[in-house]
Amino acid sequence: QKEVEQDPGPLSVPEGAIVSLNCTYSNSAFQYFMWYRQYSRKGPELLMYTYSSGNKEDGRFTAQVDKSSKYISLFIRDSQPSDSATYLCAMWGGSTLGRLYFGRGTQLTVWP
Amino acid sequence: EAGVTQSPTHLIKTRGQQATLRCSPISGHTSVYWYQQALGLGLQFLLWYDEGEERNRGNFPPRFSGRQFPNYSSELNVNALELEDSALYLCASSEGQGGADTQYFGPGTRLTVL
Repeated sequence: QKEVEQDPGPLSVPEGAIVSLNCTYSNSAFQYFMWYRQYSRKGPELLMYTYSSGNKEDGRFTAQVDKSSKYISLFIRDSQPSDSATYLCAMWGGSTLGRLYFGRGTQLTVWP
Repeated sequence: EAGVTQSPTHLIKTRGQQATLRCSPISGHTSVYWYQQALGLGLQFLLWYDEGEERNRGNFPPRFSGRQFPNYSSELNVNALELEDSALYLCASSEGQGGADTQYFGPGTRLTVL
């Protein structure tokens, strides 16, 4: 079983839709949870960063962490064509694990 | 402020050759990370350097190696190239030790092995 599972999609939605992206994980040591966005031919950029369980909102983006279910989500409200990208979840479990663990990424297309 | 830079942008090699990829971190960042992003496989962790020392290594063969220089820039070397080494190689940097610090990524080097 991989440490982090993420459905690669692709996911295609109309402009204005609410998008839900999800990851599951197996290691209960993970404490910090991130979402990165990667445009085509670019490096990933950090979008959201949360610690432990709960919600965090930033504009149209909301990140949710449910540690009891080992499940994290990213919601995008009022999606725009400029949101078309690959979204990667990532997790950090402290110095014992010593590295970030990434999901495979979900490819999202928002059409006008 | 300049971001993470990587060179070259593209690299074409033949099987058996050696490839050298370079990375310059954001000024003030001491940690450098290397990842391989092959089609459909997501980001695979390769190496983490901090203060000139290798801190952690992913599940890759020894022909993948690197180093970090006193100015915190880094080099990734891939020896005895194989066709499956074709991928986007990403470098990231962070301020301190550990992945809890935000990692900032460069644009990557596209390596093609023929």
